[in-house]
Amino acid sequence: GAGVSQSPSNKVTEKGKDVELRCDPISGHTALYWYRQSLGQGLEFLIYFQGNSAPDKSGLPSDRFSAERTGGSVSTLTIQRTQQEDSAVYLCASSLGFPLEGYTFGSGTRLTVV
Amino acid sequence: AQRVTQPEKLLSVFKGAPVELKCNYSYSGSPELFWYVQYSRQRLQLLLRHISRESIKGFTADLNKGETSFHLKKPFAQEEDSAMYYCALNSMGGGNKLTFGTGTQLKVEL
Repeated sequence: GAGVSQSPSNKVTEKGKDVELRCDPISGHTALYWYRQSLGQGLEFLIYFQGNSAPDKSGLPSDRFSAERTGGSVSTLTIQRTQQEDSAVYLCASSLGFPLEGYTFGSGTRLTVV
Repeated sequence: AQRVTQPEKLLSVFKGAPVELKCNYSYSGSPELFWYVQYSRQRLQLLLRHISRESIKGFTADLNKGETSFHLKKPFAQEEDSAMYYCALNSMGGGNKLTFGTGTQLKVEL
């Protein structure tokens, strides 16, 4: 597609449920990044993919968070047993391979855990 | 570890006044710095990169290694500049990812 597509745009879930967030990057972008945006916290790095592998997953806050990427394209971020503190906007970005080229961001998924 | 500090959460200026959004970084190597902007109801987007030494929408930013700063400046603020601005640092030792500051909300008043 022309841009980075994220779905759903909004998700309200009950505490304890699992959620899956999807990111479809720009075609040909080998690098894919997940960030979390919380009020007053800026953008918190979660995980980075180069192709299908994740050289850096240091930002995942706990083992309830996992992500995968298949076919060098679509990525899914899964949060198990959601907690209220997981409420945030989850942003996906892709780039040609290095941040120097600049990231292209998706519009995000706003997750609310009630 | 790399860190980006944006000391102001909110900066309010009048239209036509100069703007300076502050950004300081902490990184022992050779940094590469960026400014990203998010206008209301729009996606976060790249504004400028220090390696390009470019001026975008009248904004410029100079890397000052001595002061470890990369402040964003514009001589005359416009109403359409109102947005959230994030400073970001790429550290090669950090795995080719960007470290973002907490952002500064710029409000340009008439």
